[in-house]
This record gives sequence, C-alpha cells and structure tokens, in this order.
Amino acid sequence: RKEVEQDPGPFNVPEGATVAFNCTYSNSASQSFFWYRQDCRKEPKLLMSVYSSGNEDGRFTAQLNRASQYISLLIRDSKLSDSATYLCVVIGPNTGRRALTFGSGTRLQVQP
Amino acid sequence: DGGITQSPKYLFRKEGQNVTLSCEQNLNHDAMYWYRQDPGQGLRLIYYSQIVNDFQKGDIAEGYSVSREKKESFPLTVTSAQKNPTAFYLCASSRTGTGIEKLFFGSGTQLSVL
Repeated sequence: RKEVEQDPGPFNVPEGATVAFNCTYSNSASQSFFWYRQDCRKEPKLLMSVYSSGNEDGRFTAQLNRASQYISLLIRDSKLSDSATYLCVVIGPNTGRRALTFGSGTRLQVQP
Repeated sequence: DGGITQSPKYLFRKEGQNVTLSCEQNLNHDAMYWYRQDPGQGLRLIYYSQIVNDFQKGDIAEGYSVSREKKESFPLTVTSAQKNPTAFYLCASSRTGTGIEKLFFGSGTQLSVL
C-alpha cells in the first residue's frame, strides 16, 4: 500500500458544481497535512493546511479524519480557474523533510 | 523580490552526458531540496540539505549528485548513471529543515533525453 494515495481523476465538473477529493494515508502517526495546487508544468503552490477541527478558506474546505486516515478537500462553486492538479502532502512522525510525502495528485477539469 | 530561481527551464541531455540544473534562492533559507516529478506522479525527493556543506540522500538519489557550498545555491547534477532522467525537476527551500514549514518552490526544469 502506498504511503499516500489519491484518486488520479480526472474529475470533470461543470462551473458552479461542488467537488470533493479524498487522500488516504497509511501511517497512523502522521502529524501534519496540506493541500497543494499544481498547474500543468508549474511548481506546486500551497493551497491550505488541514487542521484537526477542519478549516475553511473561501470556497475551499479541508477536513481530517484520523480514525479512517484520510483528508479531504471540498471545492464549492467551481470556477474555470480551479482546473489544476491537487496534491495532498502528509508529514509523518519523523523529523526532517524525508518524512514529507506527496500524493500523486487528483486532476480537476472545470468545464464551461 | 525574494524567491527561488531555477535554470534552465528546458534542458536536453545526450546519452552518457552529465548535466547540471541550477537552483538559487535569496530567501535566506537554511534548507533546500530537489524533487523529481514524472507524468501523473507525485513529487519524489532526490536530495536535501539542511545546512551549508551538508546534504542527505532522499528516496531516489541514485544517478544524481549535489553540492551545497553556498547557502543560496544547491545545484543538481544528473549523471550518466541515471538511465531514465526524463522528468520535471523542482527545487524547493524552507526556512529550516527541522520543522513543519511551508515549502517555496522554483518554477521547475524539464529535462529530456535526445
């Protein structure tokens, strides 16, 4: 089983739709979680951190389910500009950057 | 403006040739990293450095080498021993390498084999 798994998609949704992605992780001792956005052949950019209580930033909501070992990203009122690949990042119990693991990404295509 | 600069944007390598990818940052960050990304894949760590004159192997270091002689610079050499070098290479930095911090990425280098 991979350390971090994501559904690769693509998720094709119309403008205005609500879409949700999940990301599962294998190490129950993982400490921190993030969502990054990556446009084609560009660098990833931090979208949001994921807090235990769940957190929201505008149209984006991130949640953590430690019991089932997954994080989720919900996008409401999808815009064309939301089309990108969304990477989840999990930081394990070990110190140092080797403990940071990227998922392979979920591609979102928002259509007019 | 502070940031990370990678060059070149596109690079072609001939069989048996070593090539070097440049990464420079002016953020005064201690830690720097090199990642490789293949199509449809996540980022895999090649090498990282938490301080000048020190670096550690990541998950896929074979066929690559790095140096960290200056805080600002962390060049990556793709050697002839790397048999499948075609990929998108990303350099990143963070303030220190010991905490849970935001990674700042360069804009990437696409390496292809001729």
